[in-house]
Amino acid sequence: GAVVSQHPSRVICKSGTSVKIECRSLDFQATTMFWYRQFPKQSLMLMATSNEGSKATYEQGVEKDKFLINHASLTLSTLTVTSAHPEDSSFYICSARSPGGLFADTQYFGPGTRLTVL
Amino acid sequence: QQPVQSPQAVILREGEDAVINCSSSKALYSVHWYRQKHGEAPIFLMILLKGGEQKGHDKISASFNEKKQQSSLYLTASQLSYSGTYFCGTGPNTGNQFYFGTGTSLTVIP
Repeated sequence: GAVVSQHPSRVICKSGTSVKIECRSLDFQATTMFWYRQFPKQSLMLMATSNEGSKATYEQGVEKDKFLINHASLTLSTLTVTSAHPEDSSFYICSARSPGGLFADTQYFGPGTRLTVL
Repeated sequence: QQPVQSPQAVILREGEDAVINCSSSKALYSVHWYRQKHGEAPIFLMILLKGGEQKGHDKISASFNEKKQQSSLYLTASQLSYSGTYFCGTGPNTGNQFYFGTGTSLTVIP
C-alpha cells in the first residue's frame, strides 16, 4: 500500500522559533497533499491543501504567513510553523492523495508530528 | 464544511453492534471512513464513491445515501480492537479540499 512518512515525529521548541515538518510520499507521486492540525480529543481540522508547483490553498482562519507550505516536488511537501507560540502546540498530520486506481480518491496519512512549544 | 457525526461517543460490550452516522450540509462527492487510535494517525477503512453504494469487509460495513448527504458505518459483533475514534471524511465535487467529520469515540469493553 501507499506509504507516507513525516519527519520529525516529535519536536519541542522554544517560543519564537520556527519549525519545519516534512511530509513525503514514499512509493507514489502525490500532486495533492493536505495538512491537518488536531487538538486533544478533537477532530482533524484541515489547514491547507498543497498542490505541487503552485501556491497552497489555506482554509479560512489559517494564517498564511505563519504556516508556510511548500510543495516542491511530487513526493515532498513541507510545513513551516514560523515564530511558534505555545498555542501552536498540537498534533500536525499530513496526507497525500493516491494517484489513481481502485482507491483513486483515497488519502494516506503520515504518522503525525507532535509539536510542543514552550 | 465539517460533516457532523452521531453519536459523539458510544461504549459497547464485546460482540455488540454499533452504527455511526455522518451527515453533511454540502453535496457529497465521496465518503471515506477512518479509525484513529490515541496518538496515532488515522487508518483508512473504506471509501464509498456512489450514492446507494454499500461496502464492507470483515464485520465493518458502510452505506452512502447521496440524496440525503449521509453515510453510516456499521460495526457488527464488535471486537476489542475496534476501539478508537471514527471519522468520516468528505470532499466536494469541485476543488481539492477534504474535511473530516466531528468524530465518534467508540469503546469496546470485555
